[in-house]
Amino acid sequence: DVKVTQSSRYLVKRTGEKVFLECVQDMDHENMFWYRQDPGLGLRLIYFSYDVKMKEKGDIPEGYSVSREKKERFSLILESASTNQTSMYLCASSLPGGDYEQYFGPGTRLTVT
Amino acid sequence: RKEVEQDPGPFNVPEGATVAFNCTYSNSASQSFFWYRQDCRKEPKLLMSVYSSGNEDGRFTAQLNRASQYISLLIRDSKLSDSATYLCVVRLGNQFYFGTGTSLTVIP
Repeated sequence: DVKVTQSSRYLVKRTGEKVFLECVQDMDHENMFWYRQDPGLGLRLIYFSYDVKMKEKGDIPEGYSVSREKKERFSLILESASTNQTSMYLCASSLPGGDYEQYFGPGTRLTVT
Repeated sequence: RKEVEQDPGPFNVPEGATVAFNCTYSNSASQSFFWYRQDCRKEPKLLMSVYSSGNEDGRFTAQLNRASQYISLLIRDSKLSDSATYLCVVRLGNQFYFGTGTSLTVIP
């Protein structure tokens, strides 16, 4: 059974804190993605990675960075959290190429106060 | 302008009804198309990919109209378990664009 796990379901951080969101997949997928989901805006791609140490910006990379040191793990970093980064963050993985199913993790609800 | 637009609904239909959702996309160079389903407070899951010739999976039929830049999803004989939000997804190069979703409630 395919599995994508995220380190926390709920997280509360203060403005200015550095925040790490971790994602691990056990399917040996090359592609990994980070999205945020907001009401009325849907899911928006922040970053994705198609291989270890490789990354590409998505639609809304500002204020975020990522790290992929191992194939199974993809981290999203908020260098200095702001209130407008309060959101649901979803990680996904897929086989290489663009036509394969993305498997999503359960999401992390981040609140920045 | 949004890359992908969907009618948010909600669509409230009785069991057994047929319901159709449309989704439009703005970039004619878009390459791949999908419908995902998202249950309340859950992660999205792939329902079906959408192929140029149209495709069917049981009670679900997906169609793509490249000339008019829209994709559609038809659900026949609706079940209570079909209640969810349906997300239209379009790929352009390495970018994936999700619609905001269409909410469906199937009523007994």
